[in-house]
Amino acid sequence: KQEVTQIPAALSVPEGENLVLNCSFTDSAIYNLQWFRQDPGKGLTSLLLIQSSQREQTSGRLNASLDKSSGRSTLYIAASQPGDSATYLCAGDNAGNMLTFGGGTRLMVKP
Amino acid sequence: DGGITQSPKYLFRKEGQNVTLSCEQNLNHDAMYWYRQDPGQGLRLIYYSQIVNDFQKGDIAEGYSVSREKKESFPLTVTSAQKNPTVFYLCASSWRGRTYEQYFGPGTRLTVT
Repeated sequence: KQEVTQIPAALSVPEGENLVLNCSFTDSAIYNLQWFRQDPGKGLTSLLLIQSSQREQTSGRLNASLDKSSGRSTLYIAASQPGDSATYLCAGDNAGNMLTFGGGTRLMVKP
Repeated sequence: DGGITQSPKYLFRKEGQNVTLSCEQNLNHDAMYWYRQDPGQGLRLIYYSQIVNDFQKGDIAEGYSVSREKKESFPLTVTSAQKNPTVFYLCASSWRGRTYEQYFGPGTRLTVT
């Protein structure tokens, strides 16, 4: 059964810093890997989806990579801003099976 | 506007009472899902439904029940609610076969006293 782990659980950085969030998974047969953002008390918003044949995706200041052989995905946030403060969750699926979520990283970007 | 709605936003119940959470979508999606999120944790799948009148248990189905009588609606009943820290329930929907492309509702926060 797929297990997804996110480290660190919480992170506080000063504004402007580049940062990396980590996501690891136990089953290398993972098909798609997705990063979500969750604001306090809200639902999830999809940020980046890395599909099975891809190794990375970029959107603005965000870049996500996927290395299936090592069981890892990273989310890189460039030039962090206070508005980036939120919880970031990664989730993977195994070819049509249900999404398995990590526990999330709570990010605080201080002005 | 197309989207997913969940109601109510906040819900309070006494221990032992049943409570039903509403989830409605107008995206014409076939599949719908219910997740539980405990404070500071990720999401765990409770139930999912890929078509009307059919649903499957997720990882933590015990203590919950669902129905799928209409494509647009997937209500979740918490049976004999246990006293726990406040729990956040999230509903999602997707096209059938595209479980990786789920759209999430705003959530319902349930507090049991």
